[in-house]
Amino acid sequence: ETGVTQTPRHLVMGMTNKKSLKCEQHLGHNAMYWYKQSAKKPLELMFVYNFKEQTENNSVPSRFSPECPNSSHLFLHLHTLQPEDSALYLCASSQPWTGDTYEQYFGPGTRLTVT
Amino acid sequence: ELKVEQNPLFLSMQEGKNYTIYCNYSTTSDRLYWYRQDPGKSLESLFVLLSNGAVKQEGRLMASLDTKARLSTLHITAAVHDLSATYFCAVPTGGGADGLTFGKGTHLIIQP
Repeated sequence: ETGVTQTPRHLVMGMTNKKSLKCEQHLGHNAMYWYKQSAKKPLELMFVYNFKEQTENNSVPSRFSPECPNSSHLFLHLHTLQPEDSALYLCASSQPWTGDTYEQYFGPGTRLTVT
Repeated sequence: ELKVEQNPLFLSMQEGKNYTIYCNYSTTSDRLYWYRQDPGKSLESLFVLLSNGAVKQEGRLMASLDTKARLSTLHITAAVHDLSATYFCAVPTGGGADGLTFGKGTHLIIQP
C-alpha cells in the first residue's frame, strides 16, 4: 500500500456514458497527478494539480475533465469517451519539489474499458 | 520536447547473470527516477537520483546518474526470478511540482 487509493479498480462504460474516477491520498501531499497507461503508448502525464490548482494539462481532450476539490482528493470525470481511451488510469501524489527528496507515489490504477 | 529513451525495451536473461538497462533523456535534468511495475499492478518507486554522480543500491539493483551525459543506468547483479518486471525511468517535465515523462519501459524476464 502506497497511501494512494483509487476507485473503482475496474470500469466498463459505453461511449455515451458519464462516469468518474476517484483518487484519494493519505500522505499529506499537496500535488496530485493523473497518468494514462495504454498498450500502445508509454505512460503519459495528463494533469498536474498543485495546492488544488491545475498547473499542467498535457493537451488532454476535453472529454476528460479533472477536479481537485482539496489536496487529498482528485477526480477524473469522463464523458463521451472513445474505444481508444481504454487504458489503465493512474493517480499519483507527491510533495512539491523543495530541493530534497521528491517522490511520486502511485495508486493501484483504474482499468477502464470503453465499449 | 523532453524525450526519455530506454534500451533495451525487452530483455530475457538467465538467473545469475548481470545486465544493465540504459536510460537517456534529451533535456537537462538534475533528477531521475526508476520505477518497477509488475503485471497488472501499479508503479513501485525504486530509486530517486538527485545529483550528478549519484549512485544508489538496493539488493541486486544499482542505479547511477550522469547528468552531463544525460544518462542513467540500472544494473542488475546476479539476477533472480523475482526481479522479473517492467522497469521505467522517468524525468521531471520541469521545475517545481511537475509530472514525469517516462521511458517506454524495459520488460525484463529472468529465466530460472
